[in-house]
Amino acid sequence: NAGVTQTPKFRILKIGQSMTLQCTQDMNHNYMYWYRQDPGMGLKLIYYSVGAGITDKGEVPNGYNVSRSTTEDFPLRLELAAPSQTSVYFCASSYSLEEKLFFGSGTQLSVL
Amino acid sequence: QKEVEQDPGPLSVPEGAIVSLNCTYSNSAFQYFMWYRQYSRKGPELLMYTYSSGNKEDGRFTAQVDKSSKYISLFIRDSQPSDSATYLCALDSNYQLIWGAGTKLIIKP
Repeated sequence: NAGVTQTPKFRILKIGQSMTLQCTQDMNHNYMYWYRQDPGMGLKLIYYSVGAGITDKGEVPNGYNVSRSTTEDFPLRLELAAPSQTSVYFCASSYSLEEKLFFGSGTQLSVL
Repeated sequence: QKEVEQDPGPLSVPEGAIVSLNCTYSNSAFQYFMWYRQYSRKGPELLMYTYSSGNKEDGRFTAQVDKSSKYISLFIRDSQPSDSATYLCALDSNYQLIWGAGTKLIIKP
């Protein structure tokens, strides 16, 4: 049972480059989330989705975009990468808003 | 002032000790209180979940909530080296989760 799978695990970007972080889940969860985790800070919600075709901004959406064309996939797009986007990114999913979150193993991103 | 405060540690204790991990919060609207455990280079996983003041026990773990003091705790009895991880509190109000920064716990054999 794979759960939530994120790729890549590590990536180094140059300032101004773009990339997509991939996230897929096999639990048929409606709700999916993207968080970033910075040292000494709590997880910050970037974007979330309540189902295919529906996305909404979280606490820190600037510089990111998402799409949700299928129940399984929820990619996060970084346009014009900046050093402030250096972080560990986690994708998560849940059956409903009241249910526990299942997290992927994270993507460590450095923008230099 | 952050909505949720959590001592970052690291907290280092010998194997078998009782561990107390704590979070304080400022918003009395929080209704649900969770503890997640995060091993190095892994995503967080839910450990305990409670929505009322008082204690909730699960094996060696006890979650305690004091809404009047806006204070939550996680106690670990008979701590094991496998408990070494970062422990994150997460508080929910109207389906919005606010996370503590996490406390790094090290259990020395």
